[in-house]
Formats: sequence, C-alpha cells, structure tokens
Amino acid sequence: QLVLTQSPSASASLGASVNLTCTLSSGHSSYAIAWHQQEPEKAPRYLMKVNSDGSHIKGDGIPDRFSGSSSGAERYLTISSLQSEDEAEYYCQTWDTGMGVFGGGTKLTVL
Amino acid sequence: EVQLVESGGGLVQPGRSLRLSCAASGFTFDDYAMHWVRQAPGKGLEWVSGIRWNSGSIQYADSVKGRFTISRDNAKNSLFLQMNSLRVEDTAVYYCAKDRLATSGLFDSWGQGTLVTVSS
Repeated sequence: QLVLTQSPSASASLGASVNLTCTLSSGHSSYAIAWHQQEPEKAPRYLMKVNSDGSHIKGDGIPDRFSGSSSGAERYLTISSLQSEDEAEYYCQTWDTGMGVFGGGTKLTVL
Repeated sequence: EVQLVESGGGLVQPGRSLRLSCAASGFTFDDYAMHWVRQAPGKGLEWVSGIRWNSGSIQYADSVKGRFTISRDNAKNSLFLQMNSLRVEDTAVYYCAKDRLATSGLFDSWGQGTLVTVSS
C-alpha cells in the first residue's frame, strides 16, 4: 500500500527559502504527486504536479517563487523569498490502485 | 475560471442521511474525473470517493464503502455524494475536487467546502 510521508512541521525566516519533502513508500518511486497549500481556515489550493523526473506543472497564478523537483522516491516543494502569507499547511497527494492518497501534511511557519 | 461550489452540508443525527452537491463551472465538466475529499476538525485531508468522466469507474475509501454513493450529472455540470448511515466520525468539511485529467487521480481545483456535523 502506497504511503506518502511528510515531516509534521517546518520553519524558515521571512525572505529565506525552504524545501518541503514528500517521500513515496518503497516500490512507488516512479509516481507523480501533486502539492496543495491550505492556509488557515481556507480550502486547499493546488500548487503543482511534480513528476519523477523532476519536471513540474504549476497551477494558474502560482508565483515563480514556488517550484518542484524530485530525487528517487522524494518529491520536493521549494518556496523561495518566503512571505508571511506562505505560512500554511502543505499536503502532497497521489493516486494508487483506485484510491486517492494524501501525506499527513507539513505545517510551515514563517519566522 | 474553474469554480466548484458545494452545498448540502448541515447538522444530522447519527444513522441519518445527507446529500451533498457540487456545482461546477468554467471548464468542460464531462472531460474530467471528479472527487470528494474531507477534513475532520483539526485533521488532515482524506480522500473519500472518485468518479470518472463517464461514471464508468467509481471508487471509495474503505471508511465509507457501502454507506456513501458518488454520482454525477454531466448535463447539469454537477457532482453528488449521497451519505447514508452517517456516523459521528463522518463529521468533517467535505470538498469537491476536480481531477487534472479524465482519470489521473491528481486534483487541480478545489471547492470552498461544506461542513457536515453528525451529532445527536
């Protein structure tokens, strides 16, 4: 069964960069994932799809500060020039054998 | 612009039923699979159910299998979730989500959600 693993929390300073990681369980390193952002008390928002080769496709209106990459079973979301509005929960998501799968989410704090 | 607007949430007693709707606009509805995702208070996102563009394939999470039924009306650009035998643990905000493709399983648009509270 596919599992997506995310660190529960991350923090970085205003104006800095941060990498969030989503790890696919063994045997699933070829899977693409989607990253979603959820600000407090709001609905999730799609950020991008990240493929196993590191290419990514961003959603409409997603700033250039957001990018994606891959290495093996890991999928990354990089946010540069952090802004206060980037403080949110970030979820990775994929699909396997007829079921949607979410990671547990990473709560990003902007210091 | 893609818009997904959920409705039908509310307070319901355990064991009763509720039907959620999602009105879609801004895209060709019958080109895409659609999904329901829920979020219990203070918890993460949980996929609930998905339906392909032509209703030819339907999937459910184990937690709702046999109790929930997903359906769609492509002529009315609408997605539905019939929830029967509701349990306290079904309490959550329910989101409608659009698939990136006809069958990819990755979501690229979300509605604003509708709250379902199951309590006596």
